[in-house]
Amino acid sequence: QQQVKQSPQSLIVQKGGISIINCAYENTAFDYFPWYQQFPGKGPALLIAIRPDVSEKKEGRFTISFNKSAKQFSLHIMDSQPGDSATYFCAAGKAAGNKLTFGGGTRVLVKP
Amino acid sequence: DTAVSQTPKYLVTQMGNDKSIKCEQNLGHDTMYWYKQDSKKFLKIMFSYNNKELIINETVPNRFSPKSPDKAHLNLHINSLELGDSAVYFCASSQITDEQYFGPGTRLTVT
Repeated sequence: QQQVKQSPQSLIVQKGGISIINCAYENTAFDYFPWYQQFPGKGPALLIAIRPDVSEKKEGRFTISFNKSAKQFSLHIMDSQPGDSATYFCAAGKAAGNKLTFGGGTRVLVKP
Repeated sequence: DTAVSQTPKYLVTQMGNDKSIKCEQNLGHDTMYWYKQDSKKFLKIMFSYNNKELIINETVPNRFSPKSPDKAHLNLHINSLELGDSAVYFCASSQITDEQYFGPGTRLTVT
């Protein structure tokens, strides 16, 4: 049972463009939604995270939008750069539970 | 300084063998995890330890046995390795908040 569905599986964007990755979750008990960035041969690294008390969080070129009623959240990468080329994972968890359920990942390629 | 480290980085072994992967974190975190990332990049939690106590044990074959000698270390021992165990195994750690920090991974190949 995949509790967090992520789309698209892959994405190609031109340098300077916007990358958008979407995730949908099923468990309404989830209250912590992080995004991880993974480069080939490396471990996932926390990029940005949001809790459901806000609808948007921005850190530099990365923005999370959160829609609690639709049980969806998305990552926007503004002014995408070739160095952003990586696999991005959304995840969801319960604040007190420490367990994260990951989406299937999105491979982003930013073309120069 | 490496926050979460794993050894070895690569492990190639034959079916039926027993192997161990070690993990250490120097972040002072109370909770440590093992994740498995399959060939399709799907990440799934296997185990979680809090202060040396097992708190999450997903439906993992009992050939996999985690051991936490202290809260800075979490090792994974795998008995009777099978072809399907080939994957990248990640260790992670977190404090009471949910920010999990991942190690560099151990690529296990079973032949």
